[in-house]
Parts: sequence; structure tokens; C-alpha cells
Amino acid sequence: GNSVTQMEGPVTLSEEAFLTINCTYTATGYPSLFWYVQYPGEGLQLLLKATKADDKGSNKGFEATYRKETTSFHLEKGSVQVSDSAVYFCALSEGGSEKLVFGKGTKLTVNP
Amino acid sequence: NAGVMQNPRHLVRRRGQEARLRCSPMKGHSHVYWYRQLPEEGLKFMVYLQKENIIDESGMPKERFSAEFPKEGPSILRIQQVVRGDSAAYFCASSRPGRTASRETQYFGPGTRLLVL
Repeated sequence: GNSVTQMEGPVTLSEEAFLTINCTYTATGYPSLFWYVQYPGEGLQLLLKATKADDKGSNKGFEATYRKETTSFHLEKGSVQVSDSAVYFCALSEGGSEKLVFGKGTKLTVNP
Repeated sequence: NAGVMQNPRHLVRRRGQEARLRCSPMKGHSHVYWYRQLPEEGLKFMVYLQKENIIDESGMPKERFSAEFPKEGPSILRIQQVVRGDSAAYFCASSRPGRTASRETQYFGPGTRLLVL
């Protein structure tokens, strides 16, 4: 079945550091890929998405590129802020199936 | 445009009681999804509904759990005879109908945190 694997956390960085959170997937078709962010005590917010190979999703300084050859969708940000502290979830949805399949989440803490 | 609304935000039940969780989708959205998040875990799909129809319930436990999305009113996730293992955060998401529905973004509500004593 479809699955998403993302790097284990927690990740702790200093402000202005470079961020990478790895995400790889297994799917039988051509999924759409997503990154969601969850702030403490809140629901998930869509951060960015990509619907086909080589697409780059970007938002709020975050980027991720859909790499079909490596089945990856790694999240990157050049300079993190304290306000980026949250849990980040990689997810996929496959054509013909409406459900999202999530990774386990990576907790990011950014210190001043 | 109001987002996805869920209530209650927190719900405490004793073992054996019933829990009812409500979800009002975003305006213009006719697709509703329920997910469960256990502590320290990602979200797991439970059920996908459109108005008056259950489309995919492959993630729903076979017993005690049911969901509906009536023509009028919010979607309801109902858990009968709750047990401690039902303690979790339950998230609702909605999306608009589209030609390729699986490409439509799902927008999430704030969740209901259920605690079973």
C-alpha cells in the first residue's frame, strides 16, 4: 500500500539555520504530495504541495520539489525563525483515492 | 470565509459513554474527511463522506464507530461505548468538489481532543 516515511525528530536548530526534513514515499500511481504544519494545540495547515513530477511547492520561505526518480519530497528552508517551531507532516494522496496518507511527523524547535 | 469548524474542542467521557464529534466544512465544500491522531503519531484516515453518502470507510474500526454527513447540518463522528484506547485527537478536513477530486486540497479543522477516563 501507499506509505510516507519522514525523518525522525525532534530537530532542534538555532535561528537562521538551514532546515531540511527528509520525506520519501511509496505509491503505486502518481500521487500528489503535501507538507502540512501543526502548531501546538492546533489543527493542520497546508504549507505547500506539488501535484506532478519536478513541480516545486513553496510558501513562507519553505520549498519542496517532487522528485519521482528518488520518490522524495524533502522540505527545506534557508533560514528558520523561532515562529517556525511546530510539527511538520509529509503526506500523499493518490489519484482515485481521496484519503491522505501521512508520515509520523517531525517536531522542529527553533531556539533564539 | 470561515474555516473548517469542529466542536467540541475538548471532550471528556467515561468508559462506556458515547462521544459525538461535529464538523462543519468550509463554505462551498461538500467533501468531508475524518482522521485520528494518536499521541506521538501521524494522522490516520478514518472515513470520507459526501453529502448523505459514505464514500470510503476503509479506516473506520468495524465496531462502535459511525459517521454521517446529512443533507443539512454538520458531519458527525459517533463513537459508542468509548474505551481508553479511543483517547486521541480527531480531525476533520473538507475539500470542494472537483473534476479530479483527489487533487483538491483538504483543509483541516482545529480538532477535537477526546479523553476517555
